[in-house]
Amino acid sequence: QVQLQESGPGLVKPSQTLSLTCTVSGVSISTGDYYWSWIRQSTGKGLDWIGNIYNTGSTYYSYNPSLKSRVSISGDASKNQFTLRLDSVTAADTAVYYCARDQGPLALEYWGQGTLVTVSS
Amino acid sequence: VLTQSPGTLALSPGERATLSCRASQIVDSNFLAWYQQKPGQAPRLLIYGASSRATGTPDRFSGSGSGTDFTLTISRLEPEDFAVYYCQQYGNSPQTFGQGTKVEIK
Repeated sequence: QVQLQESGPGLVKPSQTLSLTCTVSGVSISTGDYYWSWIRQSTGKGLDWIGNIYNTGSTYYSYNPSLKSRVSISGDASKNQFTLRLDSVTAADTAVYYCARDQGPLALEYWGQGTLVTVSS
Repeated sequence: VLTQSPGTLALSPGERATLSCRASQIVDSNFLAWYQQKPGQAPRLLIYGASSRATGTPDRFSGSGSGTDFTLTISRLEPEDFAVYYCQQYGNSPQTFGQGTKVEIK
């Protein structure tokens, strides 16, 4: 059974770096034709796709252009985890952050439960 | 940009719900998905590829459409169907989501 779990600080100061880890169980992040994704949802608002990583053999990344200059996603196959880093955060980055498995044509079938990150001094 | 309508749909259990999602440009390969989200929960995939049900999606949920106009239909609303529904296009990068349609009890 595929499961994803986000972890990381719930409070980040403005201008600092937000770092979240998604721990995957039930499948290896380095096998299969999957992309490992981050999505966020501001309080009471809709969903924003942040980016994803493809980590089978070669590694490929794709990021939302609106965040591209500040975001990076990396994978650690030995720990079966992938990590989101978002630099220079502001209050506008306050959101629930989800990790998910992107199955290409089959969309985002598996999601973590989400973790709230608040940007505040 | 994905535009969902209506913003809120007030219906009674047993009624039919029709939700619309319109894209500002053609969705490549009809890679359009629908998700259901309840308060405090992650979105749940219902439909992918515009019309294919995800594993575990009841058959009262159906998706249709192509190009720029897509529809999610719930044939007979069950109490557990009252939630917010999002469409997502994943055929063009960046992937984008609609703003959501809330289906509430009338």
